[in-house]
Amino acid sequence: QKEVEQDPGPLSVPEGAIVSLNCTYSNSAFQYFMWYRQYSRKGPELLMYTYSSGNKEDGRFTAQVDKSSKYISLFIRDSQPSDSATYLCAMAWRGAQKLVFGQGTRLTINP
Amino acid sequence: DGGITQSPKYLFRKEGQNVTLSCEQNLNHDAMYWYRQDPGQGLRLIYYSQIVNDFQKGDIAEGYSVSREKKESFPLTVTSAQKNPTAFYLCASSIDLQTSYNSPLHFGNGTRLTVT
Repeated sequence: QKEVEQDPGPLSVPEGAIVSLNCTYSNSAFQYFMWYRQYSRKGPELLMYTYSSGNKEDGRFTAQVDKSSKYISLFIRDSQPSDSATYLCAMAWRGAQKLVFGQGTRLTINP
Repeated sequence: DGGITQSPKYLFRKEGQNVTLSCEQNLNHDAMYWYRQDPGQGLRLIYYSQIVNDFQKGDIAEGYSVSREKKESFPLTVTSAQKNPTAFYLCASSIDLQTSYNSPLHFGNGTRLTVT
């Protein structure tokens, strides 16, 4: 079993839909949770960063962490074609020297 | 603009040849990393370095080598010993190795290596 599991998709939704992207993990020591967005043929860029449990909102994006269920989510409201990308979850325990990445979910928003 | 530059963007090599991928950063970051990305497998850590002249193996270091002679530079050599070298290679940096809110990873735009 992988330490972090993420459905690779692909996921295709119409413009304006609410998108939910999810990751599950097995290591209860993880405390830092991140979402990276990666456009085609580009490097990933940090989208959201959450410490421990709870929600964090930034514009149309909301990151949610449920440590009791070992489950994190990224919600995208009013999705736009420019949101089409691969979304990677990543996590680490406190003081860790490396991140553990999910497999990435390929998302397409259709106009 | 500060950032990470990886070159070349595309690289083609014959099997049995060593090849070196370049990574330069002007963010004044101490820590640098090399990841490999394959379809459906996310990012896997090859090597990382905290300071000049020091580096550690990641999860898939076999068949790769690195050097860190300058703070700004962290080249990766893919040797002929790497069984499946064709992949997308990403270089990253952070302020330091300790994961924290103030030290997220910054990535370059990658080098796509094809070995035939």
